[in-house]
Amino acid sequence: QSALTQPASVSGSPGQSITVSCTGTTSDIGSYNLVSWYQQYPGKAPKLIIYEVTERPSGVSDRFSGSKSGNTASLTISGLQAEDEANYYCCSYGGTATYVVFGGGTKVTVL
Amino acid sequence: QVQLQESGPGLVKPSQTLSLTCTVSGGSINSDNYYWSWIRQPPGKGLEWVGYIYNSETTNYNASLKTRVAISIDTAKRQVSLRLTSVTAADTAVYYCARLSSDHDAFDIWGQGTMVTISS
Repeated sequence: QSALTQPASVSGSPGQSITVSCTGTTSDIGSYNLVSWYQQYPGKAPKLIIYEVTERPSGVSDRFSGSKSGNTASLTISGLQAEDEANYYCCSYGGTATYVVFGGGTKVTVL
Repeated sequence: QVQLQESGPGLVKPSQTLSLTCTVSGGSINSDNYYWSWIRQPPGKGLEWVGYIYNSETTNYNASLKTRVAISIDTAKRQVSLRLTSVTAADTAVYYCARLSSDHDAFDIWGQGTMVTISS
């Protein structure tokens, strides 16, 4: 069982906005602004799309945005496109006992 | 730009030791800003952090693997190594090498991954 909880799947139509949630605890997401998000296509390595809760690496579309409230982090994809269909994983620093924790992943489907 | 390349046996027998190497090219391996990490992904499942090494010798591991795992670094060869002992079928996974950068506090560079199957 993953330390962070994500919905198994989220879907939306092209052009819509969707949000993927990632729920942790006071020991990880709730205590640190060190949440990152990764996009993974089948058979490929994950790619960093959000770091430090809200920041985007250079080259990542501004359609991707991140936020956090309490023990829950969220990834929003606006203006959904066919190329956004992929698996998305959240990750958080978990303190000196756990260090790094991942979510179980969410499959985003573009209808 | 920095590239990571994993290498090692694709098949390991149960109870034996899994050994993988990650070769770093195109950038520094010595910086105190980098945590060289191993992350694995069983077939059809999610990502699991295995552990990392930083400052050339300091290591932290996933508590569930701590008694079986060791990560080391050879800066001269520009390689990061993973050893996992007493493997079982549950260790079957794609193993990724990744760089955790303190600039981003995230895994900003990943290798392509290498599939390791545990089977007799």
